[in-house]
Amino acid sequence: DTGVSQDPRHKITKRGQNVTFRCDPISEHNRLYWYRQTLGQGPEFLTYFQNEAQLEKSRLLSDRFSAERPKGSFSTLEIQRTEQGDSAMYLCASSLRGGTEDYGYTFGSGTRLTVV
Amino acid sequence: AQRVTQPEKLLSVFKGAPVELKCNYSYSGSPELFWYVQYSRQRLQLLLRHISRESIKGFTADLNKGETSFHLKKPFAQEEDSAMYYCALRDRYGNKLVFGAGTILRVKS
Repeated sequence: DTGVSQDPRHKITKRGQNVTFRCDPISEHNRLYWYRQTLGQGPEFLTYFQNEAQLEKSRLLSDRFSAERPKGSFSTLEIQRTEQGDSAMYLCASSLRGGTEDYGYTFGSGTRLTVV
Repeated sequence: AQRVTQPEKLLSVFKGAPVELKCNYSYSGSPELFWYVQYSRQRLQLLLRHISRESIKGFTADLNKGETSFHLKKPFAQEEDSAMYYCALRDRYGNKLVFGAGTILRVKS
């Protein structure tokens, strides 16, 4: 499968625990995005990387959230001290951007987080 | 602020009937608009983008800057078109997509 992979597919955690999700983008893609989607809503932007640099973070990304893309390949999204409001689908997408041209997002299947 | 509005949560039509999924946006500048689709148990995928001016699976969408709309249309709905459809706008810097809340399209036989 040469698409965007996300792991795990599902995660159930107790409130207050830390969780980490992983995203493996398409190998030649230089941009990687994290989105969050709650029931009845469209995906909401969290953050994105160009190569290993994190270039933008949404105000939705509180101090409890941190994302990394250490070698410009895979990325991790960590949520510390989870709260019930963090329950959502976390989507990763990647794209190839060259100059002003962007060849479109490819989305992963997402990680569904349930905080109990 | 950039915003995308999809006024209908659910659109139900009969097979063979025309379909129009509405999308309105607010954006100061030249927008870049997209339609994404998510079929049951599949990942979100690009359906079409306004700059391509193409028809995909019989769907078309025209950007109307005067009405700030980008409605998705298909003359004859098919059962396999049943899915969740999201309209999205790319921000002025071309860095991220802003999505609407989505419209479920149900095509009945």
